[in-house]
Amino acid sequence: GAVVSQHPSWVICKSGTSVKIECRSLDFQATTMFWYRQFPKQSLMLMATSNEGSKATYEQGVEKDKFLINHASLTLSTLTVTSAHPEDSSFYICSARNPTSANTGELFFGEGSRLTVL
Amino acid sequence: DQQVKQNSPSLSVQEGRISILNCDYTNSMFDYFLWYKKYPAEGPTFLISISSIKDKNEDGRFTVFLNKSAKHLSLHIVPSQPGDSAVYFCAASASYGGATNKLIFGTGTLLAVQP
Repeated sequence: GAVVSQHPSWVICKSGTSVKIECRSLDFQATTMFWYRQFPKQSLMLMATSNEGSKATYEQGVEKDKFLINHASLTLSTLTVTSAHPEDSSFYICSARNPTSANTGELFFGEGSRLTVL
Repeated sequence: DQQVKQNSPSLSVQEGRISILNCDYTNSMFDYFLWYKKYPAEGPTFLISISSIKDKNEDGRFTVFLNKSAKHLSLHIVPSQPGDSAVYFCAASASYGGATNKLIFGTGTLLAVQP
C-alpha cells in the first residue's frame, strides 16, 4: 500500500527559532499533499494544501508567513514553522492521496511530528 | 464552523459487544465519507469509506451506514475487541477536484473496549 513518511517525528526547539518538517510519499508521486494540525484531544484541522510546483493554498486563519510550505518535487513537501512560539506546539501531520485511488478520496497519513516550543 | 461533528467524545464498550460511533455533517456537497482510526502520537489509518450513492458498506467487522437525508453516518464494529481501542475520526470530502479534494475531519470519538 501507499506510504507517507514524516521527519522528524518529534522536535523540541527554543522560542523564536524555525523548524522544518518533511513529508515524503515513498511509493507514489503526489502532486498534492495536505498539512494538518492536531491539538490535544481535538480534531485534525486542515492547515493548507501543498501543490507541487506552485503556491500552497492556506485555510482561513492560517498564517502564510508563519507556516511556510514548499512542494518542490512530486514526493516531497516541507512545512517550516518560522519564529516558533509556545502556542505553535502541536502535532503536525501530513497526508497525500495516491493518484490511483484519487477517486476514492482516501488519504494516506504520515506518522506525524510532535513540535514542542519552549 | 464545524462541518463534520462527532457529538460523543468517548464511548466505552465491553469486548464482544457492538460499538456504534456516530457522525453528523452539515455540508450537502459532501459525497464521500471515510472513517479513520488514530493512536496517540501516530498518524490516522484508514478504516472504511462510503460513497453517497450507497447507504451501507461492510468490511469484515466494520460497517458504515450513511443516511443522506439526515446527514448522518455511523460506524459499527462487531464484535468489538480491546485492540479497537483508539480515537476514531470520521471525515468527509466533496468531489469537486479529484486528487486535490481535501478531507474535513470530525472531532473524534475515543473508543475504549473493556476486556
